Amino acid sequence: QVQLVQSGAEVRKPGASVKVSCKASGYTFTNFDINWVRQAAGQGLEWMGWMSPKSGNTGYAQKFLGRVTMTRNTSTSTAYMELSSLKSDDTAVYYCTRPAGSYPWFDSWGQGTLVTVSS
Amino acid sequence: DIVMTQSPDSLAVSLGERATIYCKSSQSILYSSNNKNYLAWYQQKSGQPPKLLIYWASTRESGVPDRFSGSGSGTDFILTISSLQAEDVAIYSCQQYYSSPLTFGGGTKVEIK
Repeated sequence: QVQLVQSGAEVRKPGASVKVSCKASGYTFTNFDINWVRQAAGQGLEWMGWMSPKSGNTGYAQKFLGRVTMTRNTSTSTAYMELSSLKSDDTAVYYCTRPAGSYPWFDSWGQGTLVTVSS
Repeated sequence: DIVMTQSPDSLAVSLGERATIYCKSSQSILYSSNNKNYLAWYQQKSGQPPKLLIYWASTRESGVPDRFSGSGSGTDFILTISSLQAEDVAIYSCQQYYSSPLTFGGGTKVEIK
């Protein structure tokens, strides 16, 4: 079965960077885009962007341009999301997620990674 | 960006009763060439990631109980839980995939009355 397993919780100071990993299994990693979605406490879901594991092509939400970088390692079937210049309002649970097919609705999700930004 | 607005923010429904959740998009998410509405619904239980319930506004994901149904077109959509069960306590969110950036509604919290 499809599994997305994310790295553990992180604590960073304002201005620092964080890199979250998402290891995929149960399917051919390069056949499906990986998207990243975050959720601050008590808030709605916020889409950050996508990455094609096959080509490495990416597309980021305007809000995160210049601060987010999505990469992958195809040999380990792992996707990464790095967010820089962290601010307190970046404190959130970050999810990797995979679309069901060609269209971006998401039927598989990682367990989430809590990133806390605090001085 | 397409703004997705859900209502109500929360609702309490008795077991076995109907729950109705609304989602409105700031522009039409009906694609005329295929007559499909680019809308999905998710259920999120406390401490868990979202779970896909419905896509194309009304197509139930495999394994989702048939008490969950989606309807609507254009800009106005509804998620209905026909007979609320205890395990349906969760936050429900809509998502448009008509255009980038993908956007979600703010969520509706469903509780037992």
